[in-house]
Amino acid sequence: NAGVTQTPKFQVLKTGQSMTLQCAQDMNHEYMSWYRQDPGMGLRLIHYSVGAGITDQGEVPNGYNVSRSTTEDFPLRLLSAAPSQTSVYFCASSYSRTGGYTFGSGTRLTVV
Amino acid sequence: ILNVEQSPQSLHVQEGDSTNFTCSFPSSNFYALHWYRWETAKSPEALFVMTLNGDEKKKGRISATLNTKEGYSYLYIKGSQPEDSATYLCASNFGNEKLTFGTGTRLTIIP
Repeated sequence: NAGVTQTPKFQVLKTGQSMTLQCAQDMNHEYMSWYRQDPGMGLRLIHYSVGAGITDQGEVPNGYNVSRSTTEDFPLRLLSAAPSQTSVYFCASSYSRTGGYTFGSGTRLTVV
Repeated sequence: ILNVEQSPQSLHVQEGDSTNFTCSFPSSNFYALHWYRWETAKSPEALFVMTLNGDEKKKGRISATLNTKEGYSYLYIKGSQPEDSATYLCASNFGNEKLTFGTGTRLTIIP
């Protein structure tokens, strides 16, 4: 089992560019989430999904889009990158609401 | 936004000593309380998930308790070892699928 796989691990973007952070899991987990981690602010929820075709907003959704066309994949799209989106992004998945989440290794994004 | 609060923010403990820290959360609409360990340069790893008032969980030298009526959970580490150095995160569901995290307690074990 690979667990939760995130790509890329590092990315530098120019302001205004768009990109997609990839997240895939091979554990058949229904629940998937995207978090960003900023110094002093902990993990903040961007978007989450409770199954294929179902997504919802978290605490900080502005500037990001998601879709969930399969159980395995949950990509995060930055529509027009801004310096405020410089952060470390984590994807996580769980088999249920009361299951512990498995985290990917993170994507460090810098927007210049 | 429902807040999950953790204290202290950081803690230095002598090797061999025991320690504990706190997670506070709104008791209304509670669903589940999670604890994670996050080592530097790694990803968070799940330690426990608790759902019932009075729940106690144990994993080796680490244990956790839950009080949903007053809205707090304690994490205990017995006989701290250098490998226990990490940031410990708690998170809660508040009756929906959104998992809200606290900012963590950074634990440093002094050899």
